[in-house]
Amino acid sequence: ETGVTQSPTHLIKTRGQQVTLRCSSQSGHNTVSWYQQALGQGPQFIFQYYREEENGRGNFPPRFSGLQFPNYSSELNVNALELDDSALYLCASSPGGSGSTDTQYFGPGTRLTVL
Amino acid sequence: GESVGLHLPTLSVQEGDNSIINCAYSNSASDYFIWYKQESGKGPQFIIDIRSNMDKRQGQRVTVLLNKTVKHLSLQIAATQPGDSAVYFCAENGGSNYKLTFGKGTLLTVNP
Repeated sequence: ETGVTQSPTHLIKTRGQQVTLRCSSQSGHNTVSWYQQALGQGPQFIFQYYREEENGRGNFPPRFSGLQFPNYSSELNVNALELDDSALYLCASSPGGSGSTDTQYFGPGTRLTVL
Repeated sequence: GESVGLHLPTLSVQEGDNSIINCAYSNSASDYFIWYKQESGKGPQFIIDIRSNMDKRQGQRVTVLLNKTVKHLSLQIAATQPGDSAVYFCAENGGSNYKLTFGKGTLLTVNP
């Protein structure tokens, strides 16, 4: 167990809707990263938050946004859902800080299906 | 551009044998590498990592080898067990301090 939890486990939405996915990081981990994993693929980096500010972003459009809270919880919000957004969404926490990459510990993921 | 790839998409071994999973990377700026195991329906589970100032690191039944000259990474699993059956991903940081770039993964099947 990594101590990283995500909710909900599964979610079904329709095209055009908005979704919020939640993550609870390990206590003491100041950094949270979000990844999208399409079926049969490796995870793709969406963005990272460190102490409530975005620390880096991958090649995802602005309709993917995030929030990080002081209590080690965080959210991934996706607006105007598209069919291709169907994937497993993973959050990963790490002790955080700048300077070098820390080990990222993943949660179980949220399976999002867009119809 | 940066990319991480795996030589073999599937690997089938007998229980008790040693397994070797290979990974190639192209970003010479990468200085941190990590192996994850992902079982069906679960998130990636950390196995072992290595930084570029090392060429070998050992854990419990696992060894990671890094060859920076040819940009190659491998994961060796000793005495493979049925519980080792999963998809294995290598990931690298491309020199960044925030993102990991994953390959497509290798499916390891352990036959009893």
